[in-house]
Amino acid sequence: ILNVEQSPQSLHVQEGDSTNFTCSFPSSNFYALHWYRWETAKSPEALFVMTLNGDEKKKGRISATLNTKEGYSYLYIKGSQPEDSATYLCAFISNAGGTSYGKLTFGQGTILTVHP
Amino acid sequence: DAGVTQSPTHLIKTRGQQVTLRCSPKSGHDTVSWYQQALGQGPQFIFQYYEEEERQRGNFPDRFSGHQFPNYSSELNVNALLLGDSALYLCASSFLGGVGQYFGPGTRLTVT
Repeated sequence: ILNVEQSPQSLHVQEGDSTNFTCSFPSSNFYALHWYRWETAKSPEALFVMTLNGDEKKKGRISATLNTKEGYSYLYIKGSQPEDSATYLCAFISNAGGTSYGKLTFGQGTILTVHP
Repeated sequence: DAGVTQSPTHLIKTRGQQVTLRCSPKSGHDTVSWYQQALGQGPQFIFQYYEEEERQRGNFPDRFSGHQFPNYSSELNVNALLLGDSALYLCASSFLGGVGQYFGPGTRLTVT
């Protein structure tokens, strides 16, 4: 059973603060790691798909890093805004037993609330 | 592009009944995956369909079954509903071999 853990479980920050979350995943049989942003009553929105050790990706004020050897990824938000309030999910894809393109194993998510 | 659509949005069923949820994938996508999200947890993989066949399956009982149609749309069927089946059911579509998955807004199933 694959174990994907996210921390913290929830986070309250003030507008303008920078913040970061952690996703831990198995360090063996790595294929890809996804980050999703999920606002209430909407579809999860893909932020990043990361496939290479050392990957760093950026989208506006949001960036992510990946360390496949030690099994973790960080998501950073610079200058948080109230519209960043959402649940942030990471999902791991393993290549154990052959490539498993579709089977995302999710963490439980980090709920971010940005207060004006 | 309509993206991934799911129907219905909400559903209330009684224990022991059967339910069918529907998903239309994003235009051009040929692979559909289904996930269950129980309260307070991350989504759990149920199964994936490609070319009208179940390609992978997660740790869910046989009460959960699916189907994919020639137009790539998909159904999730759950028989003999239990209270514990109450959850948000998400559908995701992708290209076979692609690493990106696009999600629908989900169907909220409540079993009473």
